[in-house]
Amino acid sequence: AQRVTQPEKLLSVFKGAPVELKCNYSYSGSPELFWYVQYSRQRLQLLLRHISRESIKGFTADLNKGETSFHLKKPFAQEEDSAMYYCALSGAQGGSEKLVFGKGTKLTVNP
Amino acid sequence: EAGVAQSPRYKIIEKRQSVAFWCNPISGHATLYWYQQILGQGPKLLIQFQNNGVVDDSQLPKDRFSAERLKGVDSTLKIQPAKLEDSAVYLCASSLRWGRGNEKLFFGSGTQLSVL
Repeated sequence: AQRVTQPEKLLSVFKGAPVELKCNYSYSGSPELFWYVQYSRQRLQLLLRHISRESIKGFTADLNKGETSFHLKKPFAQEEDSAMYYCALSGAQGGSEKLVFGKGTKLTVNP
Repeated sequence: EAGVAQSPRYKIIEKRQSVAFWCNPISGHATLYWYQQILGQGPKLLIQFQNNGVVDDSQLPKDRFSAERLKGVDSTLKIQPAKLEDSAVYLCASSLRWGRGNEKLFFGSGTQLSVL
């Protein structure tokens, strides 16, 4: 079975500080990992996916298969980064491709 | 482009009552998902449709939950009878296609259900 663990429920940093949101996964096959974000009063939306190897809003995430991790990082946090962040894993389970979410981390960037 | 539409936005019912939620996905999106998000947890997939066929409903409590997508466009999710533990936000999402590489899901605003 596939599982996503986000060990931090809450994370608080000051503006300009580096931020790292942790994500670990459990999956026997070749996973695809994603970060979704939900800003206050907005819909859940895709932030980035590991296969694109892209940087969105200054955020990057590297898939580490050895450590089964996909941590989200930003060198200098901004107040507008305050949001709920969900790590998600796509893998085949029971014959279908399923997207499974972690419990989320609430990031607060203080001025 | 218009996003995923859901209604109602909020619903309060008593336990053992029934309730229905409606979702209209983005035009042209073949895959539609219903997720349940209990407070403090991440979204949990209930059911996934590809056009009007069910791809995955392994986590749908079928004794009380049902969903349909008859014409392959909009969808309804029903709970009958509701229990206290069904209190959650019900999220509808859609994607262009189903399968590996198509996991950019577009979410609706959700329906917040309170069962008293």
